[in-house]
Amino acid sequence: DTAVSQTPKYLVTQMGNDKSIKCEQNLGHDTMYWYKQDSKKFLKIMFSYNNKELIINETVPNRFSPKSPDKAHLNLHINSLELGDSAVYFCASSQGWGRGKPNTEAFFGQGTRLTVV
Amino acid sequence: GQNIDQPTEMTATEGAIVQINCTYQTSGFNGLFWYQQHAGEAPTFLSYNVLDGLEEKGRFSSFLSRSKGYSYLLLKELQMKDSASYLCAGSRAGGGNKLTFGTGTQLKVEL
Repeated sequence: DTAVSQTPKYLVTQMGNDKSIKCEQNLGHDTMYWYKQDSKKFLKIMFSYNNKELIINETVPNRFSPKSPDKAHLNLHINSLELGDSAVYFCASSQGWGRGKPNTEAFFGQGTRLTVV
Repeated sequence: GQNIDQPTEMTATEGAIVQINCTYQTSGFNGLFWYQQHAGEAPTFLSYNVLDGLEEKGRFSSFLSRSKGYSYLLLKELQMKDSASYLCAGSRAGGGNKLTFGTGTQLKVEL
């Protein structure tokens, strides 16, 4: 029973297309994230949601739009795909955040390898 | 902002001990995570240090010195399956539980 699952695992698409990646967690966590891992294996945060509310929005082109219909789901939609968007995108979740609460480890999904051609 | 530095690659022998260092410069530092990532797979949690000192968990231990901005991950009795990338990540106090990752240290365990 997968804790953090994302689909699809592989996505090959042409430049200019619009695509979505879906993520679901069954851990009951409050916080979900999207990370991007580039070809040099550098893992960088893109967005974070806590209970459906956006709390982190790094410097990401506005072609990327996250959507959280409920706290168990965080989807990522990408418009007008570019070659530089090719990377592995990881969804993750963790139990809560905020003042007075200890940081807790993030659990990652298996990743979506996006290739833009 | 945060800056995390760790060596790019290391090689060690099966059965040996290896120490992977990580230095960080960060504002609002709250704690330090270590993750393991095998090729083509998701990062998995190894350890979390928020106080100075050594945290031991089986063959893996992690150390933190907040005053020096320094951490290390110690792997004992190395096994071939320990060949992976080891990611050091600093977390920031306050909202978001944001992790800033280093580029990872690719460890190769040889016979």
